[in-house]
Amino acid sequence: AQTIHQWPVAEIKAVGSPLSLGCTIKGKSSPNLYWYWQATGGTLQQLFYSITVGQVESVVQLNLSASRPKDDQFILSTEKLLLSHSGFYLCAWSSTGNQAPLFGEGTRLSVL
Amino acid sequence: GDSVTQKQGQVTLSEDDFLFINCTYSTTTYPTLLWYVQYPGQGPQLLLKVTTANNKGISRGFEATYDKGTTSFHLQKASVQESDSAVYFCALVEYYAQGLTFGLGTRVSVFP
Repeated sequence: AQTIHQWPVAEIKAVGSPLSLGCTIKGKSSPNLYWYWQATGGTLQQLFYSITVGQVESVVQLNLSASRPKDDQFILSTEKLLLSHSGFYLCAWSSTGNQAPLFGEGTRLSVL
Repeated sequence: GDSVTQKQGQVTLSEDDFLFINCTYSTTTYPTLLWYVQYPGQGPQLLLKVTTANNKGISRGFEATYDKGTTSFHLQKASVQESDSAVYFCALVEYYAQGLTFGLGTRVSVFP
């Protein structure tokens, strides 16, 4: 069975500090991978998607970047956090074809 | 671009009440329409998927229907329980590799 793991579970960071969030998919080769951001009480906004290693497409620019260094790994990062980056970051995956994306448990980020 | 409208921000019900949530969409094609449920502190879980081929889906007592004529889709449950309290999101997808467009979400609160 496929599993998706996000790390860390939660982060408290200072404005202006760097950030790196990770996501790993096990049990599935060549998945489509996605990053979403959710403000407290809000909807999910897609940030990035990737269909293959080394290839990432941006959907919304929020002064964040994403990379896919391995087939099963998706990284979200920034060199300088803003207050507006606070929220819930969710990684999701789907297989090729028409499988609906399945989400990880998320990372709660608080920027102070 | 694609859009999905989910107007009911909050629904408050008693156990055994009928639940109905409506979403409308705008897209140039016939998309696949999805319902996700999110419990506090967790990532969204896929609840139902409906396509132009099947027009209806049933899972865990929930039923989703899709009306191409009115470009709308609905989620309903005949008799809700307190455990159904959660946020329900509708979403549409045209090209799975590119991810989802979410509605704003409906917070459902069920009281005993």
